[in-house]
Amino acid sequence: GQQVMQIPQYQHVQEGEDFTTYCNSSTTLSNIQWYKQRPGGHPVFLIQLVKSGEVKKQKRLTFQFGEAKKNSSLHITATQTTDVGTYFCAPPAGGSSNTGKLIFGQGTTLQVKP
Amino acid sequence: NAGVTQTPKFQVLKTGQSMTLQCAQDMNHEYMSWYRQDPGMGLRLIHYSVGAGITDQGEVPNGYNVSRSTTEDFPLRLLSAAPSQTSVYFCASSLVPNTEAFFGQGTRLTVV
Repeated sequence: GQQVMQIPQYQHVQEGEDFTTYCNSSTTLSNIQWYKQRPGGHPVFLIQLVKSGEVKKQKRLTFQFGEAKKNSSLHITATQTTDVGTYFCAPPAGGSSNTGKLIFGQGTTLQVKP
Repeated sequence: NAGVTQTPKFQVLKTGQSMTLQCAQDMNHEYMSWYRQDPGMGLRLIHYSVGAGITDQGEVPNGYNVSRSTTEDFPLRLLSAAPSQTSVYFCASSLVPNTEAFFGQGTRLTVV
């Protein structure tokens, strides 16, 4: 069955350092979503990527969808304490949009030291 | 708008008890789903619905029932609670499948 791996599982950085989390799928994906969950909170949608090689930016966050549409990454430039939380990638189950089901990766938990 | 509302926020059950976790959304979303979140395992899909009267199983459906009699409500029933069902439960909705999902605040359930 479909496997979604996110690495690393944890990352501790000094405030101001960069951070990257990677999401790898065993199947080709039609699209992928990213969510952020603050400690004690609920997941909040960040972005959806659809096109091969797509790069989207949100202020200090850069999201990329791989050329083969089997991997994605989230890069944060110059982390701040407000970036603390767990970042999840969420591709559709089975890789395509037909099922309507989202499969979440295990998440990458980011800690930022001030 | 309230968005997605889950009740209760916290619950303690004894093994064997049954209960219903409530989820309601006021955004007229067709797609609703239930996830459970356990440490180190991300979110796992329990059941989902693509519209009123239609439900289907996710990755971990055993021990849970759902129904969708209205667009707004999607309750999750635990038939006979087990300690393995201790978890944080999230309800989510989206306008159509595979678009931005809006999550409720979660229900933290402990089964003793």
